[in-house]
Amino acid sequence: GAGVSQSPSNKVTEKGKDVELRCDPISGHTALYWYRQRLGQGLEFLIYFQGNSAPDKSGLPSDRFSAERTGESVSTLTIQRTQQEDSAVYLCASSSRTGGRAGYGYTFGSGTRLTVV
Amino acid sequence: AQKITQTQPGMFVQEKEAVTLDCTYDTSDQSYGLFWYKQPSSGEMIFLIYQGSYDEQNATEGRYSLNFQKARKSANLVISASQLGDSAMYFCAMRERQTGANNLFFGTGTRLTVIP
Repeated sequence: GAGVSQSPSNKVTEKGKDVELRCDPISGHTALYWYRQRLGQGLEFLIYFQGNSAPDKSGLPSDRFSAERTGESVSTLTIQRTQQEDSAVYLCASSSRTGGRAGYGYTFGSGTRLTVV
Repeated sequence: AQKITQTQPGMFVQEKEAVTLDCTYDTSDQSYGLFWYKQPSSGEMIFLIYQGSYDEQNATEGRYSLNFQKARKSANLVISASQLGDSAMYFCAMRERQTGANNLFFGTGTRLTVIP
């Protein structure tokens, strides 16, 4: 597609439920990133995928968070047993470059606003 | 320690005037990149400008320029001739080579409001 697509745009869930967030990157972009943005805060790195390499999961805040990506296509971020502190906007970005100036080519989606009640 | 510090939670500027948004960074790496992103109310992050640590000249992109002062570890964004559409959150970010260059570290942002 023309841009990075994320769904749903908004999600309200009850505490303790599991949620899945989806990111559809730009076709041909090998790198995919997930970030979390709490209200009034900057972006917090969660996880990075590059092609078929093992993902960099160093930013995942707990084992309730996991993400998958098959090849260079869609990624899903799963949050199990959601807590109120998980409420945030979850942003996905994709890039066609790695290392060096890779950030130059970041394209972000519009995010999924998750509210845990 | 915070890798990126943006000390201005909010800024106001008169339309058509210039404004400087502050950003300081902390790294021991010699090779790094600095970025500015704009986030309008729609939520999408829009890339504005990039400065590499070895770039000798300040980056410019249209009305945006980056005032890079390496010794002071600052990378301020200058927006010239502000427009109403510039009202948004602005985030400074950095990538370091030593961390594997897999992710950007973001500051907490500055909310810019352009006054007509």
